Amino acid sequence: DQQVKQNSPSLSVQEGRISILNCDYTNSMFDYFLWYKKYPAEGPTFLISISSIKDKNEDGRFTVFLNKSAKHLSLHIVPSQPGDSAVYFCAASSIGGGADGLTFGKGTHLIIQP
Amino acid sequence: DAGITQSPRYKITETGRQVTLMCHQTWSHSYMFWYRQDLGHGLRLIYYSAAADITDKGEVPDGYVVSRSKTENFPLTLESATRSQTSVYFCASSVRGRHEQYFGPGTRLTVT
Repeated sequence: DQQVKQNSPSLSVQEGRISILNCDYTNSMFDYFLWYKKYPAEGPTFLISISSIKDKNEDGRFTVFLNKSAKHLSLHIVPSQPGDSAVYFCAASSIGGGADGLTFGKGTHLIIQP
Repeated sequence: DAGITQSPRYKITETGRQVTLMCHQTWSHSYMFWYRQDLGHGLRLIYYSAAADITDKGEVPDGYVVSRSKTENFPLTLESATRSQTSVYFCASSVRGRHEQYFGPGTRLTVT
């Protein structure tokens, strides 16, 4: 049973507009959430994260929102750029300081249209 | 600054063969991890290590063996490769107490 779900396999957005990627989780023990970006033939690269004690974290064009009661998080990219075209993975970590690994969603392929 | 490297980048092997995938990091991170990525599954944790000589099973450990005699190396061995182990394998590391992991470039393994 998937503990981290990304229900949109792909998303197409026009350049300059906002991209919103969604993620849901089921495990109440998750207390830290991360977004990774992945280009073909490369490893995932860390993008942004959020602790469960916060509801928003912002870094430049990227903002992550966390709704604990709904067990939902989202990544907003504003404005979207062609280089943002990639697969985005949502990941979660349990209480324990990250020692026991991350649980990933299946990913969303974001395509930025010129 | 090499960061985290994996070798080989591509490997083709036959069913039943033993194969070892190498992972080396230059950051002296305490934690290291192995994941596999398959279509329709995202990344799944195979094994992880909190320090040298300390390893533990992840979500999908069957058919794999790991060791960690030095902090910087974390090899993954498939003792008798099966076709179901055809996948892309990623090694990652992180600082003790931090959740952010940093990934290597991956090894694409094909078992024929």
